[in-house]
Amino acid sequence: GAVVSQHPSWVICKSGTSVKIECRSLDFQATTMFWYRQFPKQSLMLMATSNEGSKATYEQGVEKDKFLINHASLTLSTLTVTSAHPEDSSFYICSAIKRYTDTQYFGPGTRLTVL
Amino acid sequence: AQSVTQPDIHITVSEGASLELRCNYSYGATPYLFWYVQSPGQGLQLLLKYFSGDTLVQGIKGFEAEFKRSQSSFNLRKPSVHWSDAAEYFCAVGAAEYGNKLVFGAGTILRVKS
Repeated sequence: GAVVSQHPSWVICKSGTSVKIECRSLDFQATTMFWYRQFPKQSLMLMATSNEGSKATYEQGVEKDKFLINHASLTLSTLTVTSAHPEDSSFYICSAIKRYTDTQYFGPGTRLTVL
Repeated sequence: AQSVTQPDIHITVSEGASLELRCNYSYGATPYLFWYVQSPGQGLQLLLKYFSGDTLVQGIKGFEAEFKRSQSSFNLRKPSVHWSDAAEYFCAVGAAEYGNKLVFGAGTILRVKS
């Protein structure tokens, strides 16, 4: 199998606070993980590429100081939304590429609501 | 620029009927092609993928897709749709040359009527 988990599955926070989302590959090693954002009734937009042991690469228009990404090990990447605002409310999905393959496996997503 | 087009936003089919979801792409490298399915509030599940070789690929849940290079298409098909197939389907394109980043289509919402 190739299972990716995310924690939490949903979170509600106050404006101005920071929220951390974890992405784990449970049964495989992932040198590369991706973070996506999905607005209601829209497709997935790639935010950043996370490589184990190196700095994340952000897509154009994504604020790296607002969306902090850490890929601490071959099975864990974290996304921290700093000083969250209501416009950051969204569905955040991570994916992981199974080592030695080119296939992305997706997590179940995290619903963030900022009040 | 890389792009993926799914021309049908919504499709409604009767249970038991056949299904074809269209996907066209524009890509600057030899593409890897994927179909994913998403149920409401859930992540994406991989249905099938094409990297090379046989252009007709079989996936899970009875789905198949055919890669047609001349038409830059990768349409998804199923001969007999089940009510549980109702979901949103995304076509995606990637390539090792681009770090395996995926470009997604806008998605097609499938409704199944009984």
